[in-house]
Amino acid sequence: GEDVEQSLFLSVREGDSSVINCTYTDSSSTYLYWYKQEPGAGLQLLTYIFSNMDMKQDQRLTVLLNKKDKHLSLRIADTQTGDSAIYFCAEPPGTASKLTFGTGTRLQVTL
Amino acid sequence: NAGVTQTPKFRILKIGQSMTLQCTQDMNHNYMYWYRQDPGMGLKLIYYSVGAGITDKGEVPNGYNVSRSTTEDFPLRLELAAPSQTSVYFCASSWQGAHEQYFGPGTRLTVT
Repeated sequence: GEDVEQSLFLSVREGDSSVINCTYTDSSSTYLYWYKQEPGAGLQLLTYIFSNMDMKQDQRLTVLLNKKDKHLSLRIADTQTGDSAIYFCAEPPGTASKLTFGTGTRLQVTL
Repeated sequence: NAGVTQTPKFRILKIGQSMTLQCTQDMNHNYMYWYRQDPGMGLKLIYYSVGAGITDKGEVPNGYNVSRSTTEDFPLRLELAAPSQTSVYFCASSWQGAHEQYFGPGTRLTVT
């Protein structure tokens, strides 16, 4: 199958902004998702964006969608140590029944 | 609600042994999923179910079997364990298919 691509690692200082990028594959996806996985836990839905939107803001989170380039990004403002986790983007590949996840980006927040 | 529960949390198997990973959800969700997570590889879908009595293969079904006799339970069976099945296994469920999946805490399986 086709891959949803993310960079593997990102390190930022506490208080800075983090930007996590994702390239997805299916231009017909209705929604695109960001999930967060904290150490030793399962994934949790963080936010999502409808495909007819360019941007969605939710408190410290901003999701940007570039459908032409099939590029999705997640910006976390004022990054805190509690934001340290693995972040996955996900898309429903041609069907609303299941998701394809990216490889995940490990965010490390340093003091 | 307990959400999605998985047992066991950890397990070590010898090559060729079999086992069942249990998954239960109490949210009355129709959709249930099994994923495996390998380091640096993201999550790969093993099997999924859109309702009781209905199952379908995901990306990596070989070496696994599932059944869905009730809405609540979705066990994953490994018949002949192989080292390549060493991974962390996550069960998930949702009300609306791909939209907002709820994950269990995972089962860490080692096959030696």
